[in-house]
Order: sequence, then structure tokens, then C-alpha cells
Amino acid sequence: DGGITQSPKYLFRKEGQNVTLSCEQNLNHDAMYWYRQDPGQGLRLIYYSQIVNDFQKGDIAEGYSVSREKKESFPLTVTSAQKNPTAFYLCASSATGGIGNNQPQHFGDGTRLSIL
Amino acid sequence: ILNVEQSPQSLHVQEGDSTNFTCSFPSSNFYALHWYRWETAKSPEALFVMTLNGDEKKKGRISATLNTKEGYSYLYIKGSQPEDSATYLCAPDRVDNYGQNFVFGPGTRLSVLP
Repeated sequence: DGGITQSPKYLFRKEGQNVTLSCEQNLNHDAMYWYRQDPGQGLRLIYYSQIVNDFQKGDIAEGYSVSREKKESFPLTVTSAQKNPTAFYLCASSATGGIGNNQPQHFGDGTRLSIL
Repeated sequence: ILNVEQSPQSLHVQEGDSTNFTCSFPSSNFYALHWYRWETAKSPEALFVMTLNGDEKKKGRISATLNTKEGYSYLYIKGSQPEDSATYLCAPDRVDNYGQNFVFGPGTRLSVLP
């Protein structure tokens, strides 16, 4: 079945380490997104990509990096520069992206990242 | 950063009650309004995408209306059931001076008590 796969479900990181969260979709969607959720807060956009080899910063991009080398993959790296990385991370995709996007987003099951 | 508000933050209703909640957003440069339902331990699921002022969408017992001129949308649930318990998120699709185009509200957490 088509969908979005995030892995791993739980991830632990030592302070000072970079860690990469995987997001793969087989929906043939052009646009992909990364969100972060903290307890008691809504989803905040980290990065998004409207097309392969292109991506833009969201509201809270500092301390994160992404790549979009393939249409189906949009990995997120949480770098050591991210001072408060403990959160729940959601990946999403939509058929198209950008202004006037009437396409709903499809979400993965998320990755919960914790600092050891 | 785009200011999207949802109210109430949370509510509890009895099974069979009807309920509604609000999403407010800046009305300028509006393109579309998305509603999502996010059940515990699951991923968010798209409910509606609304684009026109006065638009009304319906899916089973859930419906939504849109007022783009004043910048708000209502979500209604008729005859709430325990399986409706979830967080309901709205997300306007628009552009502001920073070029942002998609921001989620903080959500309304609904608990339906049997």
C-alpha cells in the first residue's frame, strides 16, 4: 500500500552527536515536509521541499539540515547545534506543494527523539 | 510567524452531544484552509480542504464552514462518539511577508465520554 514510512520509531542521541531521521514515501508526491511537536504545542515546520533537489527553511530550521536527492526520500539530520532536540518528529508529503496548495498532506507515524 | 488560533484548547463532551470549535487566521492572502484529525498513537489524517468563502464540507457526522473575509472556520461534530476523540488541527495555506505558506494551529483536543 502507498504511504509514508518513518524510521526509527524511537531514537536516542548522545549530546554532541548528529542523528538522521529517515522519511520515505511511495505516493509519487512532489512535496515533502518535516514537523516537530513538543508537549502541549502544535506542529511546527522545520523544512519543506516542493521538488527534488530543492528545499526551504520553515519556522524552526536552526540546528537541522535536510536533503532531497530523490523524490521519495527526505531525510532530516538533527545536528549538535540543535540545543533542544528532544521532541516528536513528523514527516509528511503532498502531491504538490507551494502557494495555493490545495492538496492535503499525508503523514508518517513519527519518530520520537530523546537525548541520553 | 503566522498567527493561527484554535479554540477551545480542549473540551470534554458526553457521547451523543454535538459540538463545534473554531480556527482563526489572518484573512489576507488566503488560498486554502485544511482540517486534520489526529488520534492518539496514529498519524494526522486529512479531513477537509476548503478554498471558497462560504464553503461548507461534510464527511459523515463532521462538517466545516469557512469565512475567508473574516478569517475563521468552524468544525462541527454532530452526535459525538468516543471514536471522535482526537486533536483537531487546522492549517491555513497563505503567504505573509515572510513567504510562509502553511502553518498549523495548536489544535483542539476533544474527549468524548461514553
